[in-house]
Amino acid sequence: DAKTTQPNSMESNEEEPVHLPCNHSTISGTDYIHWYRQLPSQGPEYVIHGLTSNVNNRMASLAIAEDRKSSTLILHRATLRDAAVYYCILRDVDNAGNMLTFGGGTRLMVKP
Amino acid sequence: NAGVTQTPKFRILKIGQSMTLQCTQDMNHNYMYWYRQDPGMGLKLIYYSVGAGITDKGEVPNGYNVSRSTTEDFPLRLELAAPSQTSVYFCATQGGRGPYNEQFFGPGTRLTVL
Repeated sequence: DAKTTQPNSMESNEEEPVHLPCNHSTISGTDYIHWYRQLPSQGPEYVIHGLTSNVNNRMASLAIAEDRKSSTLILHRATLRDAAVYYCILRDVDNAGNMLTFGGGTRLMVKP
Repeated sequence: NAGVTQTPKFRILKIGQSMTLQCTQDMNHNYMYWYRQDPGMGLKLIYYSVGAGITDKGEVPNGYNVSRSTTEDFPLRLELAAPSQTSVYFCATQGGRGPYNEQFFGPGTRLTVL
């Protein structure tokens, strides 16, 4: 699977929007872009995924660049509960086991 | 539905001891995974299974064994525990094949080897 690059950490104020960037310049045409987050002392949880078009769900929005070499996870109103490590992960259709390959992620700190 | 359950939550082992980490799911998912997470790092895949009777190695399989006799259970066996196996272990499941399916994670087992 292609690699992703994320900032180590970011800070946000509560109730403000947060834009978490991810670079994936070597992405292939069949790579899906996934985001997972890991709250303190918990297992990772799925946030959102997309292929080419922007995606919205109840948790977040995913904005994908036209050339697909970068993407941004958008939390529209950060809450204290959103403080977590956010992982941007590429998943290929040729990945037979469908496993997730985790990088270091971005630690999001939310200030009250 | 309980989802993915893992036992025990915590365990301290002495060097050379053995143990089995249990993972059970009630979602009827074919795909199951074992990951480990060292402090401050992302998760690394140990073993995975695409269905009952089928297992395969991940990135860091040395020192571990798995079996998958039923859809529900995917135990991870540590033989001759070493300090390098001190980590948090997560079990995960996925319902279908394809990179658009999400994985569901258990709460983890925190293992310390002294």
